Amino acid sequence: EAGVTQSPTHLIKTRGQQATLRCSPISGHTSVYWYQQALGLGLQFLLWYDEGEERNRGNFPPRFSGRQFPNYSSELNVNALELEDSALYLCASSKVAGGILKNIQYFGAGTRLSVL
Amino acid sequence: AQKITQTQPGMFVQEKEAVTLDCTYDTSDQSYGLFWYKQPSSGEMIFLIYQGSYDEQNATEGRYSLNFQKARKSANLVISASQLGDSAMYFCAMREGGYNFNKFYFGSGTKLNVKP
Repeated sequence: EAGVTQSPTHLIKTRGQQATLRCSPISGHTSVYWYQQALGLGLQFLLWYDEGEERNRGNFPPRFSGRQFPNYSSELNVNALELEDSALYLCASSKVAGGILKNIQYFGAGTRLSVL
Repeated sequence: AQKITQTQPGMFVQEKEAVTLDCTYDTSDQSYGLFWYKQPSSGEMIFLIYQGSYDEQNATEGRYSLNFQKARKSANLVISASQLGDSAMYFCAMREGGYNFNKFYFGSGTKLNVKP
């Protein structure tokens, strides 16, 4: 069974540009989560999508947005890139949206975004 | 206040010895879940072990066990018989019950180095 896949692996942009990151969840998973991991730091929750809807978002500005497609894959868009957006962006998926605490999130290998 | 605190930025352990990675958490919820993830240098987060707040016994998964002390709000990871492949970053995470069901809080991580 294929795991969570993310593309591209690396992305280099300049300040002010837009970046689009993609994520394909594990087959059968309906929830997709996005996290930002700045260098040497822990993960910061960005967004949660389930059944095509944004269910929750972390403390990030509106220029971080995304969507989930009917096949449950997801895109993360970052507009007006700033230098501090340079980070590893991790996508995770899970099978059940809510109601079960043991809702294990399975992660992809991430997209490393560098903003110059 | 930090939801998850990992006070050991780095740890060294001799191969074949046991090691304990510390994690304390902060929540007022009665219902929550605790997770440990391993992040090798490749970047992918690998799920290791889960402990529910209502679980009476400590969780175990192979060489991994979770020393859960609810009154102290600690959830330490114990790795027995360390292997060279255990060298990685380790993150403790928590999911709380309620609306933010699928919002994970991650600690800042502990970098474990296993010496031959």
